[in-house]
Amino acid sequence: DQQVKQNSPSLRVQEGRISILNCDYTNSMFDYFLWYKKYPAEGPTFLISISSIKDKNEDGRFTVFLNKSAKHLSLHIVPSQPGDSAVYFCAARFYNQGGKLIFGQGTELSVKP
Amino acid sequence: EPEVTQTPSHQVTQMGQEVILRCVPISNHLYFYWYRQILGQKVEFLVSFYNNEISEKSEIFDDQFSVERPDGSNFTLKIRSTKLEDSAMYFCASSDGLANQETQYFGPGTRLLVL
Repeated sequence: DQQVKQNSPSLRVQEGRISILNCDYTNSMFDYFLWYKKYPAEGPTFLISISSIKDKNEDGRFTVFLNKSAKHLSLHIVPSQPGDSAVYFCAARFYNQGGKLIFGQGTELSVKP
Repeated sequence: EPEVTQTPSHQVTQMGQEVILRCVPISNHLYFYWYRQILGQKVEFLVSFYNNEISEKSEIFDDQFSVERPDGSNFTLKIRSTKLEDSAMYFCASSDGLANQETQYFGPGTRLLVL
């Protein structure tokens, strides 16, 4: 099942710089997209989301961009902080399927001082 | 801040035994979910539950699995006869079913090990 893909397993960024995490999807029936952050041995923590009818949503240091024609979304973190180091998951919700979320494989972000 | 809680945090069981994983969703939430993550793999959807019935289930959620909301606060996942391949981290999630229905909040997980 490769409907949601995060092609970069890891990303290293210097503190203060921008982190850009990418996610691609294949199914046009996704109507909502979410980003979660996860530390080892913990549950995913919700970060930010975007409806399929929008192309940008911003919350503090986090901005999500959605390009529907390319079936691509990205999470920008500016400025990056060492505390942002974690695994980031992209998730997509199926329209009218009981809220089912399909997750990507995750990208491990490491922010170095 | 309200959060989803899960018990136990770890469970070790013998193959063929029944296990019940427990979750307390956020109190005003109406939609409940179970997901699992096998080590090194993606987080996978198992089941969603609303108004005391299953809304959607995945292929993984076969007859060995069941869910229940036995009272106003708990949401449980039962595996009747565990298999080795059921070893995974199991996450409960809930959403409020209102403007933020799309946002599912996850618990810390139960690590299940089947021997």
